[in-house]
Amino acid sequence: KQEVTQIPAALSVPEGENLVLNCSFTDSAIYNLQWFRQDPGKGLTSLLLIQSSQREQTSGRLNASLDKSSGRSTLYIAASQPGDSATYLCAVPLKGGATNKLIFGTGTLLAVQP
Amino acid sequence: DAGVIQSPRHEVTEMGQEVTLRCKPISGHNSLFWYRQTMMRGLELLIYFNNNVPIDDSGMPEDRFSAKMPNASFSTLKIQPSEPRDSAVYFCASSPGTYQETQYFGPGTRLLVL
Repeated sequence: KQEVTQIPAALSVPEGENLVLNCSFTDSAIYNLQWFRQDPGKGLTSLLLIQSSQREQTSGRLNASLDKSSGRSTLYIAASQPGDSATYLCAVPLKGGATNKLIFGTGTLLAVQP
Repeated sequence: DAGVIQSPRHEVTEMGQEVTLRCKPISGHNSLFWYRQTMMRGLELLIYFNNNVPIDDSGMPEDRFSAKMPNASFSTLKIQPSEPRDSAVYFCASSPGTYQETQYFGPGTRLLVL
């Protein structure tokens, strides 16, 4: 059974710092891994999707890496801003068949202090 | 496109009442997903449809929950009778295809059952 874990559960940093969020999964046979952002009272917004054949994906100040063999992904945020404050979730599709059933981690609540 | 649209945004009801949540996916998307989010259990997939057909409903908690997708632009999630433990935020999401693609989330319906 695929289990997705995110560490830390919460993180507070001063504005301008670079930071890393971690995501671990138990079954390395994944199609892809996605990182989402959730603002309070809102839905999820997809940030990055890394296919299983890729090692990295970048979007602006965000960089996501994937190491399938070790069951890990990291989301690197450069030069953090107060507007980055949100909950960040990673998710992987459930293995088997043509399915987009996602298994989500519990999330990391990020607070960037001005 | 307006994105995924959900209604109502907030619902307060009494135990035993019927609750109907509504979702309009992004036009042209073939897959639709219903999720439930709680503090205790995080984000869980309840059911997903592909081309209006239910593909996997293994996440539906019990017979009190039912979901329909009568056409490509509309889906409902019904709880009858509702119970206090059903209180949660219910999200609808859609994606263009069956898998390996990003899911786009609606703003959610916050349900409180008294």
